[in-house]
Amino acid sequence: AQKVTQAQTEISVVEKEDVTLDCVYETRDTTYYLFWYKQPPSGELVFLIRRNSFDEQNEISGRYSWNFQKSTSSFNFTITASQVVDSAVYFCALSAISSGSARQLTFGSGTQLTVLP
Amino acid sequence: ETGVTQTPRHLVMGMTNKKSLKCEQHLGHNAMYWYKQSAKKPLELMFVYSLEERVENNSVPSRFSPECPNSSHLFLHLHTLQPEDSALYLCASSQERTDTQYFGPGTRLTVL
Repeated sequence: AQKVTQAQTEISVVEKEDVTLDCVYETRDTTYYLFWYKQPPSGELVFLIRRNSFDEQNEISGRYSWNFQKSTSSFNFTITASQVVDSAVYFCALSAISSGSARQLTFGSGTQLTVLP
Repeated sequence: ETGVTQTPRHLVMGMTNKKSLKCEQHLGHNAMYWYKQSAKKPLELMFVYSLEERVENNSVPSRFSPECPNSSHLFLHLHTLQPEDSALYLCASSQERTDTQYFGPGTRLTVL
């Protein structure tokens, strides 16, 4: 079975600080996909990034960057120069095949990020 | 309208009521999903439809009844719910089951 662990339940930073959200995953599948979603107070999950297991290249998009390390089964997300609008719950998710069944998307429990002005 | 829409956004119902949640996707996708998000719990996948056929039902009580009349619309019919069914119900869609899922804004359901 697959599992996603987001050990940080809540993080609070002051605006303009950098913050890293941790994500550790478990799967026996050799081909899998990793995702990050953002859930603002409005409730909608907003897709941020998708990564496949064969591509360990780090990615940067504006103030967001992602560090994928297969050796440690981690897919961490860093926000540089955080802003109040970054306040949200962030979910890491894994899409993998579990026990011969169809591919499933498994979510972590989420990290509540609060950016203070 | 673009993306995935859900109506209503908020719903309060008694345990004896019957109501339906509606989801519509404008992305041309072939797969649609219902998730339940309760406080302090990870998202739980409830149902998956692929090409209008239900392909997954994750041990959801029969008081939840999904319907997918076409690839753009997904309903969740509710009857005789319990207070513990109060949650945010999220709909999502994807091109294929292996692809990225895009979510709607959710329906906040309160069962009294």
